[in-house]
Amino acid sequence: NAGVTQTPKFRVLKTGQSMTLLCAQDMNHEYMYWYRQDPGMGLRLIHYSVGEGTTAKGEVPDGYNVSRLKKQNFLLGLESAAPSQTSVYFCASSYSTAGLGSNQPQHFGDGTRLSIL
Amino acid sequence: AQTVTQSQPEMSVQEAETVTLSCTYDTSESNYYLFWYKQPPSRQMILVIRQEAYKQQNATENRFSVNFQKAAKSFSLKISDSQLGDTAMYFCAFREGYSGAGSYQLTFGKGTKLSVIP
Repeated sequence: NAGVTQTPKFRVLKTGQSMTLLCAQDMNHEYMYWYRQDPGMGLRLIHYSVGEGTTAKGEVPDGYNVSRLKKQNFLLGLESAAPSQTSVYFCASSYSTAGLGSNQPQHFGDGTRLSIL
Repeated sequence: AQTVTQSQPEMSVQEAETVTLSCTYDTSESNYYLFWYKQPPSRQMILVIRQEAYKQQNATENRFSVNFQKAAKSFSLKISDSQLGDTAMYFCAFREGYSGAGSYQLTFGKGTKLSVIP
């Protein structure tokens, strides 16, 4: 039962470097999400996707890009990392929230701890 | 925009006792969903319980139950017979129920750190 898998689990970057976080889910979920969690705060939505080939901005999208080329994968990219992006990043997925699936919860990965020096 | 408030940053409870975590929210929507997630030190986000706003009956899952007061916009979590494994951060979360951008986003409170004491 893999569920939602995030890679890597930890990463340290220097300011200005780029990297991509990978999220993979094996539950055939339509929707996928990227959140960040900062100390003393709950999770905040960065970007989300409601299907293959589609993405949309969440609450805090600046400095990030995403892609969903395959239904099971959702990539989060940092083109030029900044210290303010030091955080724990969570990927989540869910069934469609429309119709009968409207009460379905989001399933989360284990998170990626990212430090920008 | 919806907001979720958890007014208790930290709480503690003796093993086997009962504890209640508070959550209030602000919305103008009539159809929505509420969730409690648990985040243990392992950092996983684990769904504890969910409540549909259109249901009057409070949700229960084994030792976990909620007190949903729609008019007061309150959604508290009660943990009975507390166990050491219940030690974790607990997050209350809100999601709109209608189709549209708001129905995709979970809005989280800042969390309550619960410690179960042996």
